[in-house]
Amino acid sequence: EPEVTQTPSHQVTQMGQEVILRCVPISNHLYFYWYRQILGQKVEFLVSFYNNEISEKSEIFDDQFSVERPDGSNFTLKIRSTKLEDSAMYFCASSLRDRVFEKTGELFFGEGSRLTVL
Amino acid sequence: KQEVTQIPAALSVPEGENLVLNCSFTDSAIYNLQWFRQDPGKGLTSLLLIQSSQREQTSGRLNASLDKSSGRSTLYIAASQPGDSATYLCAPRGNDMRFGAGTRLTVKP
Repeated sequence: EPEVTQTPSHQVTQMGQEVILRCVPISNHLYFYWYRQILGQKVEFLVSFYNNEISEKSEIFDDQFSVERPDGSNFTLKIRSTKLEDSAMYFCASSLRDRVFEKTGELFFGEGSRLTVL
Repeated sequence: KQEVTQIPAALSVPEGENLVLNCSFTDSAIYNLQWFRQDPGKGLTSLLLIQSSQREQTSGRLNASLDKSSGRSTLYIAASQPGDSATYLCAPRGNDMRFGAGTRLTVKP
């Protein structure tokens, strides 16, 4: 069964360092998302991406964050200068269609990348 | 901004019970609503997707209902099993997808 894959599963970094989290969405999906979950807290929306541009972003997704689809398969989240409060599980998700095509739009999530900032 | 509330926050039941998890949301302009399961330290597994035009969706022992106008959804789990123990998350989808804090379910053998 197709799945969303994320790497690394766990990354430890020093405060101020740049981090890139990678995701391979399901191959025929068109919409891509990043979410994060701080330990013990809610899953929080960060950003959605379609047609090589950001379609929605939350207040969390500030200038320290960026997303990219560098090739036909990968979708990356970059954090430019990590802070202690960026420590969280980061989830990538993808869907085949979005709200315009109401019949689908189901989101499939990866297993997450745990980021620990020291 | 969509606010999602899930009640109860935690639930512990003996095996075999039928149970209902509740989700309410403030913005009824949604396209669909998805229920997920999350095991500790793991990702989110999609359980059910209800389109905004639907009232109900069933998968095995799970049944989810949606009342979009009143901003409510329920997840009904029949004949609960210990393997159902997990956190259940509700996520209505409008311009973005916001999650509730979840209901942490424990089913005791």
